[in-house]
Amino acid sequence: DSGVTQTPKHLITATGQRVTLRCSPRSGDLSVYWYQQSLDQGLQFLIQYYNGEERAKGNILERFSAQQFPDLHSELNLSSLELGDSALYFCASNRLAGGNEQFFGPGTRLTVL
Amino acid sequence: DQQVKQNSPSLSVQEGRISILNCDYTNSMFDYFLWYKKYPAEGPTFLISISSIKDKNEDGRFTVFLNKSAKHLSLHIVPSQPGDSAVYFCAASERGSGQNFVFGPGTRLSVLP
Repeated sequence: DSGVTQTPKHLITATGQRVTLRCSPRSGDLSVYWYQQSLDQGLQFLIQYYNGEERAKGNILERFSAQQFPDLHSELNLSSLELGDSALYFCASNRLAGGNEQFFGPGTRLTVL
Repeated sequence: DQQVKQNSPSLSVQEGRISILNCDYTNSMFDYFLWYKKYPAEGPTFLISISSIKDKNEDGRFTVFLNKSAKHLSLHIVPSQPGDSAVYFCAASERGSGQNFVFGPGTRLSVLP
């Protein structure tokens, strides 16, 4: 158990809908990262927050957004969903702003029908 | 353009033998490398790391070798055990810049009893 929790574990929705994925980092970790893993693909970095502020952006679509709250949990919002958004979404955390190993949650599997 | 490549999507090894997983990178500024292991339905877990000031790092059955001139690293597992069957991701970063990790697509290792 990495100490990172993600909810929900599974999510099934329809095209055009909007969903919110939630992540609680390990106790004491200030950085939260979001990744997308599509079928048989590697982990694509989406976005990083550090202590409530956006720190880095990766291959995140404009339809996606995220935030980190004062209690350090983070939410990833996915809107106008398309079939291609079906993927595993992982959250990871660590103590520093970057450059150190990250601890991953179990992931949320999103299926868009 | 993939900055981190794992050219073998899968690898099968007999129990007790050595498993060698390879990773190549293109960005010469990368100076910190990690290997993660991922079981189905779980998030990736950190396995071992290596900094560019070293060419080898060992932790039990796991050894990572770094060849900076070739921009190549490898993970050796010896002896391989059935429980090592998982997907292995290589990740690289330019640590001092605070940049995030770039992950390879992963190699699925199957250790046969």
